[in-house]
Amino acid sequence: DAGITQSPRHKVTETGTPVTLRCHQTENHRYMYWYRQDPGHGLRLIHYSYGVKDTDKGEVSDGYSVSRSKTEDFLLTLESATSSQTSVYFCAISAGPNTGELFFGEGSRLTVL
Amino acid sequence: QKEVEQNSGPLSVPEGAIASLNCTYSDRGSQSFFWYRQYSGKSPELIMSIYSNGDKEDGRFTAQLNKASQYVSLLIRDSQPSDSATYLCAVMWSGNTPLVFGKGTRLSVIA
Repeated sequence: DAGITQSPRHKVTETGTPVTLRCHQTENHRYMYWYRQDPGHGLRLIHYSYGVKDTDKGEVSDGYSVSRSKTEDFLLTLESATSSQTSVYFCAISAGPNTGELFFGEGSRLTVL
Repeated sequence: QKEVEQNSGPLSVPEGAIASLNCTYSDRGSQSFFWYRQYSGKSPELIMSIYSNGDKEDGRFTAQLNKASQYVSLLIRDSQPSDSATYLCAVMWSGNTPLVFGKGTRLSVIA
């Protein structure tokens, strides 16, 4: 299995508080992604990274920021969490741009009250 | 906007039957196509990829691609209760773009 871990796995927070989710990989893959999954919406891309300090927005990036200071870590930050950001967040990695063969982390379930 | 469409299901098939899962996409320029399986409460896992028109077989799974019709399907032969899951279709429009996922089809195989 690909070495990819997410933390925390579960978090409950209150509206307006900042939240950071961490994705850590041991595969030295260049590409990392953050998706959210909601009933009726499927998997939607939030942000992705194609290298250290190189990131780009996805379909649902509003309210989220990311950082990648090391190859192995990709952080997703909610500066001021809202109830609409209650979701399951998945991190994924891939070896390169020409492959859709993603390996997913186990997911982080976030509840914003 | 690039879209990937799937019937949400549930699709119920008896054990041993062929399950047929379908996916359509909005852009003829699409390059690569993938099927992921997701068990309830788990993360998606890749089961098939297909890049050119025709069929691709891997064990009990067959992926079929028809670019002219903008249609990709997944057939599961001899369906087993362990195949019960949500199947996600994903499309890559070019080598530099991330995958776009459909909403998934929930499959239930009845013993």
